[in-house]
Amino acid sequence: QKEVEQDPGPLSVPEGAIVSLNCTYSNSAFQYFMWYRQYSRKGPELLMYTYSSGNKEDGRFTAQVDKSSKYISLFIRDSQPSDSATYLCAMSFGAQKLVFGQGTRLTINP
Amino acid sequence: SAVISQKPSRDICQRGTSLTIQCQVDSQVTMMFWYRQQPGQSLTLIATANQGSEATYESGFVIDKFPISRPNLTFSTLTVSNMSPEDSSIYLCSVSGTGLLNTEAFFGQGTRLTVV
Repeated sequence: QKEVEQDPGPLSVPEGAIVSLNCTYSNSAFQYFMWYRQYSRKGPELLMYTYSSGNKEDGRFTAQVDKSSKYISLFIRDSQPSDSATYLCAMSFGAQKLVFGQGTRLTINP
Repeated sequence: SAVISQKPSRDICQRGTSLTIQCQVDSQVTMMFWYRQQPGQSLTLIATANQGSEATYESGFVIDKFPISRPNLTFSTLTVSNMSPEDSSIYLCSVSGTGLLNTEAFFGQGTRLTVV
């Protein structure tokens, strides 16, 4: 079993839809949870960063962490074609070494 | 956030040769990391590069194959040695220690390596 599981997709939705991306994990010691966005032929770009359980909102993006269920989510509201990318969840124990999910390839159709 | 420059951005290499990838950061950082991203796969940590000490390698990666240098707090190199087609991948440099909680990680653009 992988430490971090993420549905690789691909996921295709119409413009304006709400997108939900999810990851599950097995190690309860993870404390820091991140979402990265990676455009084609680019390096990952940090999108959201959450410590421990709870919600965090930044514009159209909301990150949720449920440590009791070992489940994290990223919601994108009013999705735009420019949101089309691969989204990677990542987590760490605080030692700055990240464990990544497989990444979900998302396409927003105009 | 840190600005990370990686060189080369891409290369095509003959099997049996070696390639050295450079990573330059615009500020001093405590830790630098090297990741591999194989086609259609997620990122796998190769090693952690600390200034003034030997790199720490993850399971499945060895120093003879992926020697790393970290001469100062803004620069690191990763060498992919004696390459085979299985080494074709994207190699990414990452830094942390620049965020408020000292755990945020930022990435360079990556080096796309093709071994023929």
